[in-house]
Amino acid sequence: AQSVTQPDIHITVSEGASLELRCNYSYGATPYLFWYVQSPGQGLQLLLKYFSGDTLVQGIKGFEAEFKRSQSSFNLRKPSVHWSDAAEYFCAVGSLSASTGGGNKLTFGTGTQLKVEL
Amino acid sequence: GAVVSQHPSWVICKSGTSVKIECRSLDFQATTMFWYRQFPKQSLMLMATSNEGSKATYEQGVEKDKFLINHASLTLSTLTVTSAHPEDSSFYICSARDQLIVGGKAFFGQGTRLTVV
Repeated sequence: AQSVTQPDIHITVSEGASLELRCNYSYGATPYLFWYVQSPGQGLQLLLKYFSGDTLVQGIKGFEAEFKRSQSSFNLRKPSVHWSDAAEYFCAVGSLSASTGGGNKLTFGTGTQLKVEL
Repeated sequence: GAVVSQHPSWVICKSGTSVKIECRSLDFQATTMFWYRQFPKQSLMLMATSNEGSKATYEQGVEKDKFLINHASLTLSTLTVTSAHPEDSSFYICSARDQLIVGGKAFFGQGTRLTVV
């Protein structure tokens, strides 16, 4: 069964500091990997995704993530955090198995709440 | 800890029938729940925001008469796919947040894999 672990429940960083949010996954084959952000009262917004190819993925809002198969990790990074980045971040893994329309199963981590100090 | 239970986890139905998916917050109250859909090899798409005691807010392009949402209590939201067709086959997932905790965590249901044949 696939699973996702986000070991940090809360993270606080100062504005302008760098950020790394950890994500480890468990999946038997090549996974889809996603990072989503959710601001209070809002739905999820996709930051970036990895399906194949270059293991360093660039996303929106200056975020990037690196897929490391040997470590089963897909950590999210940003070189300089802005106060508006304060939100909850979710890592998710999905299956790449063939599907003719039933959709693939997504499994989410428990999320990391990011607080930004001014 | 807080849990969101989604039922059923998978369902196969005939074209033209309706399917109801339930999303329950088991030990917290949620005035707002979110319903998402995932297409194969795609990311999640927010379908609608379910509001307890009032009408759901649908995202652009989502047919409200096709995807009926009812949020009748603080712990239950339902999504009914009416007159299902094969193109409705997808993975549906709900999310809820404890309304009593400011900035509280969001929790996801296990998801429902719908296959329409």
